Amino acid sequence: EIVLTQSPGTLSLSPGERATLSCRASQSVSSSYLAWYQQKPGQAPRLLIYGASSRATGIPDRFSGSGSGTDFTLTINRLEPEDFAVYYCQQYGSSPFAFGPGTKVDIK
Amino acid sequence: QVQLVESGGGVVQPGGSLRLSCATSGFTFSSYAMHWVRQAPGKGLEWVAFIRYDGSYNYYADSVRGRFTISRDNSKNTLYLLMNSLRAEDTAVYYCGGTRGYYYMDVWGKGTTVTVSS
Repeated sequence: EIVLTQSPGTLSLSPGERATLSCRASQSVSSSYLAWYQQKPGQAPRLLIYGASSRATGIPDRFSGSGSGTDFTLTINRLEPEDFAVYYCQQYGSSPFAFGPGTKVDIK
Repeated sequence: QVQLVESGGGVVQPGGSLRLSCATSGFTFSSYAMHWVRQAPGKGLEWVAFIRYDGSYNYYADSVRGRFTISRDNSKNTLYLLMNSLRAEDTAVYYCGGTRGYYYMDVWGKGTTVTVSS
């Protein structure tokens, strides 16, 4: 069973700054089957990145994903006001398809 | 447009049962792998169950295996989650989600709330 950890737990930044979020897996994630989701209060999650680095349809190019094996990163360049939210990584290479605990990006 | 609408949530006593439904439209449901994901109040996302596009296999989280059953009816474009032996810790918003790709979730419903309480 693959366990995901995310760091930091909370990231306090100002609009226009860059956010760097980390997701670490307890074992290698096969074929980089790693996704990132954004969730705002009271809303369903939204897919941002799949396959570790492929942007989902309609996602702005300020969002980018990288990494392989056990270490993955979500980078948000030039934070917009609508980007302040909670971000989750999820591995879908092997069951159970666990989520990480999330990183909250809030306004400094 | 793509729509997923969960229903069937409510208040149930510990040990009781519920069946959630996820009615879909606007995409080819029979080509989509589907999941149930839940979120307890104030907590993060927890993956619950998965079913392949044709229903040929499924997977469960350890926390629900043996109590929950995921199924689908491709003729009705609907996903189900039968929940038995419910516990207080099953209290959550339950989301359905899916993909035509390899098992991430690019379409999501808005969720239905399940409360297990006496």
